[in-house]
Order: sequence, then structure tokens, then C-alpha cells
Amino acid sequence: GQQVMQIPQYQHVQEGEDFTTYCNSSTTLSNIQWYKQRPGGHPVFLIQLVKSGEVKKQKRLTFQFGEAKKNSSLHITATQTTDVGTYFCAGRDMEYGNKLVFGAGTILRVKS
Amino acid sequence: EAQVTQNPRYLITVTGKKLTVTCSQNMNHEYMSWYRQDPGLGLRQIYYSMNVEVTDKGDVPEGYKVSRKEKRNFPLILESPSPNQTSLYFCASSFWGNTYEQYFGPGTRLTVT
Repeated sequence: GQQVMQIPQYQHVQEGEDFTTYCNSSTTLSNIQWYKQRPGGHPVFLIQLVKSGEVKKQKRLTFQFGEAKKNSSLHITATQTTDVGTYFCAGRDMEYGNKLVFGAGTILRVKS
Repeated sequence: EAQVTQNPRYLITVTGKKLTVTCSQNMNHEYMSWYRQDPGLGLRQIYYSMNVEVTDKGDVPEGYKVSRKEKRNFPLILESPSPNQTSLYFCASSFWGNTYEQYFGPGTRLTVT
């Protein structure tokens, strides 16, 4: 079945350092979404990527969708304590009825 | 305010005692879904519904039931809870289609002893 793998599972960075989480799918995706879950909170939608090779930015966050539409990344420049949380990718595959499959998430901790 | 609500937020129960977790959305979304979140496993889909009276199994449906009699409500039923159903549960909703983001409820932390 469709699988979405996300690495690393956990990362602890010093405030001001950069952070990247990677998402890899076993199948070609029609689109990919990213969500952020603050500690004790619920997942909140960040962004959606649809086109092959697409790059989108939100302030210090840069999202990329691979050329083959099987992988994606989220990069945070100069992390801040407000970036703490779990970041999930979620991919849709048309062959699987466009079901949204979530990665396991990357937990980000920031030391100030 | 557009939102997804869940009740209860916290529940401790015993094995075998039937329980229902309610979910309601006020955004007129066609699609609703239940997930469970466990450490290291991310969000796994339990059941989903594409519209009223249309429900289908997700990846981990065993031990759960759902119903969709009204568009706004999507309750999750555990007829005979077991300890392995101890988890954090999220309800989510969205418009139907492959480009819409999901709106999540605040979560229900369930402990089954």
C-alpha cells in the first residue's frame, strides 16, 4: 500500500540553527501537504505543493516538492523557540483514491 | 468561528465499557475523518466519510464504528474498548476533493485500563 516515510523522527537544535525534515513516498503523489502540531495541540495546515519541482516560502520556512513528485522537504532557517512542535507531511496518490497518508512526523525541539 | 469540536477532551475508562466520542464541524464540509496518533506512528486514519450516510474504513478500523447521519456530525464509537485503543484521537474535516486542507479538532485523549 501507499507509504509516506519521514525523517528524522526527532531533532534538537540550538536557536538560530537551521532545520530540515524530509518526506519520501513509495508512490508518485498528486500533491503533498505539510502540517504543524504544537505541543499539546492539534495539527494545523501549513501549505500544499502540487507541481513537480515546486518551491514555496513562508517567511523562514521553505517547502520543496521533488521533480518526480515522490519526495518533499521543509527547511526552517534560523529556528526560533516558536518553531517547536511536530511537523507532518501528508501525501495524496490518485492510484489510492487520493487518500491523504501522513508521515510519522518530525519532532523539533529548540534550545534557547 | 469556523471550527471542529470534539467531546470529551479527556476520557479514562475501563475495558469493555462502550463509549462515544463526538465530533462536529460548522464549515459545511463534506469530508470528515478520524485519526489516532501514537508516538512514532504519526496520524493513522481510522474511518472516513465522504458525505452523509457514506463511510469507509481507513487503515486501522478494527474495534471502531462510525456513523454520518448529519453532515456536521461524525461520532466515533468504541463498542468494547481495549487497552490497545489508548491513544490521542483527532477528528478532521474538509471540503471533498484532492486539493483541500484538513481542519483538525482539538483532540481526545483516551485511556483504557
